[in-house]
Amino acid sequence: EVQVFESGGGLVQPGGSLKLSCAASGFAFSSYVMNWVRQTPGKGLEWVSAISAGGDIPYYADSVKGRFTISRDNAKTTLYLQMNSLRADDTAIYYCATSNLWGQGTLVAVSS
Amino acid sequence: DIQMTQSPSSLSASVGERVTITCQANQDIKKYLNWYQQKEGKAPKLLIYGASNLRTGVPSRFSGSGSGTDFSFTISSLQPDDIATYYCQHYHNLPLTFGGGTKVEIK
Repeated sequence: EVQVFESGGGLVQPGGSLKLSCAASGFAFSSYVMNWVRQTPGKGLEWVSAISAGGDIPYYADSVKGRFTISRDNAKTTLYLQMNSLRADDTAIYYCATSNLWGQGTLVAVSS
Repeated sequence: DIQMTQSPSSLSASVGERVTITCQANQDIKKYLNWYQQKEGKAPKLLIYGASNLRTGVPSRFSGSGSGTDFSFTISSLQPDDIATYYCQHYHNLPLTFGGGTKVEIK
């Protein structure tokens, strides 16, 4: 079955860190650009980061640049998002996505 | 960044009625536009890519049109299963950006 499954979300204090993972299966993971997209009730859908198929070129939204790091392991067909210096406005559901395949999301809550 | 303006933000229509949503980009995005459907508590699902191409398996009552800066999405005959929020999203360049969404309800 073609799917992606996110994990690693949770409750973290402001300034803390979390690492999200996205396990992919059923498709040629190493051939696809992969994205992280987040969603909040107030701000809707926001693209966060992308990484080239080979993993050598990352891209970031200005809102997370310098704090988040995207990476991938094509041998393990897994995408990652290391999130540091988390802020309250990073609270959202984080989705791993290609254009036509999204996971179910993982909730990140930043609160003291 | 390319801004996507979607309207209306919500609508209520009867079963069988034709529904149209519009999306405007603030610069030319050619046909690099997706339309997504998101049901409550679920992830977005791609319905249309390239502004007008229906994804395999998506019912033919859904359609999209437009190019450049002005796009539209139509449900030709609204069904109860179509209750959802719909989003446009460009992929002309990075950052990808989304419209604000249109919540579709049954009258």
